[in-house]
Amino acid sequence: DADVTQTPRNRITKTGKRIMLECSQTKGHDRMYWYRQDPGLGLRLIYYSFDVKDINKGEISDGYSVSRQAQAKFSLSLESAIPNQTALYFCATSDSGTKNIQYFGAGTRLSVL
Amino acid sequence: AQSVTQPDIHITVSEGASLELRCNYSYGATPYLFWYVQSPGQGLQLLLKYFSGDTLVQGIKGFEAEFKRSQSSFNLRKPSVHWSDAAEYFCAVGARAAGNKLTFGGGTRVLVKP
Repeated sequence: DADVTQTPRNRITKTGKRIMLECSQTKGHDRMYWYRQDPGLGLRLIYYSFDVKDINKGEISDGYSVSRQAQAKFSLSLESAIPNQTALYFCATSDSGTKNIQYFGAGTRLSVL
Repeated sequence: AQSVTQPDIHITVSEGASLELRCNYSYGATPYLFWYVQSPGQGLQLLLKYFSGDTLVQGIKGFEAEFKRSQSSFNLRKPSVHWSDAAEYFCAVGARAAGNKLTFGGGTRVLVKP
């Protein structure tokens, strides 16, 4: 089993719908992150959490929210999806004691029609 | 704020030839530097990292990178590419002053010709 698991792997939804992307990890890491990947832009940070009670906005948090339900679980929500949120979304984890070496899930490909 | 530039969007290389991917960063202090590889349909895998010390670092899959402070660069190299090296490569910088959050470059897609 993968250490960082994202569900679903693919999702197609319609404009205005609420959608949740989930991430779970078995690495025992305290830090978790959500990124989106767009062609030519690399990965951009949406939200990050350094522990269960610490959640922070990244550079592109508008239109997104997150929930850290447990140390191992970090979900990303789009309250009202719009087409420009069509992207590849990655969850990552890191241990605060390792200079932030991040480990990534396989990604969720989201299409908003 | 830190930033990362990967000047080459696409590179095509023949199998067996050498490969060099460029990465330039902007950061006010010595950064933590990373190279990740993304194979089709996969997540990102760490190739190598630089924290301090020897400026030439070795990674997995035969890759190496050299940190050059004077040029603010961290270029990735491989002496002889294999068809399986076709992928997208991302350079990233970690900002020590900001909890080591990573900033990624735009990526370089490598195509390998037989």
